[in-house]
Amino acid sequence: EVQLVESGGGLVQPGGSLRLSCATSGFTFSDHYMEWVRQAPGKGLEWVGRTRNKAYSYTTEYAASVKGRFTISRDGSKDLLYLQMNSLKTEDTAVYYCARGSGTYYSWFDPWGQGTLVTVSS
Amino acid sequence: QSALTQPASVSGSPGQSITISCTGTSSDVGRYNYVSWYQQHPGKAPKVMIYDVSNRPSGVSNRFSGSKSGNTASLTISGLQAEDEADYYCSSYTTSSTYVFGTGTKVTVL
Repeated sequence: EVQLVESGGGLVQPGGSLRLSCATSGFTFSDHYMEWVRQAPGKGLEWVGRTRNKAYSYTTEYAASVKGRFTISRDGSKDLLYLQMNSLKTEDTAVYYCARGSGTYYSWFDPWGQGTLVTVSS
Repeated sequence: QSALTQPASVSGSPGQSITISCTGTSSDVGRYNYVSWYQQHPGKAPKVMIYDVSNRPSGVSNRFSGSKSGNTASLTISGLQAEDEADYYCSSYTTSSTYVFGTGTKVTVL
C-alpha cells in the first residue's frame, strides 16, 4: 500500500524557518514526481512545488509565491521528501500536504498524505 | 498565476445530476489535457476523482465524469448521493511548468 506521512509542522515566528518531511512507502520513490500542496485555514488548495523523478535529475519547480524562499529536496536512501521553508510569512500559514505525481506524465496527484499544520505568527 | 474559476457552491437532490465548471485560460486548461478533479471532505486530505480531463482512477464511481471545451473543464456527478457532499477542486498544468488549482466548489446534497 502506498503511504505518505508528513511531519515537522508547528508554530514559527515571521521570518523564521521550518523543514517539513514526508515519509513515503509502498512504491519506488525515485521513479515518481513528488508534489507539495498547501491549504490555508478555510481556504482552497494551492500548489507549492514539485520535484521530478530520477530520470529528470530530480529537478524542481515552484509557485511564484514561494520561489526563492522554499526548497524541495529528497533523501533517496530514506525515501523521504522535504520542504525547507525560509523567510516565512504569516500568509504561509496552512496545512501542507505531500502528494505523489501519478500517471504517464505525472499529471495528477495520488495519493496525498494527511497533512501537517504550519502556523506563522508572532 | 490566478486560480481557475469555479462556482462557490452547487446543490442538488439525491439522484439528480450536477455539473461543476472550471474556467481557466489558453495557458492552462485550454492548452493541456492535464485537468484533474479532487474531492475533499472536511478535515480530510483531497482525493482524485478524475484525471487527464475525463479518466477515472480505479475505485472511483462511474457516477463521476469529466469533460473539457476550450478553456473550461467540467465535472459531472450523476445519481447524486449524500456521500458526495464535499468540496471539489479542479487543477491544471500550466505553460509555466506549474500547476494551478480552482477556487473550489462546495457541493450540497439537499
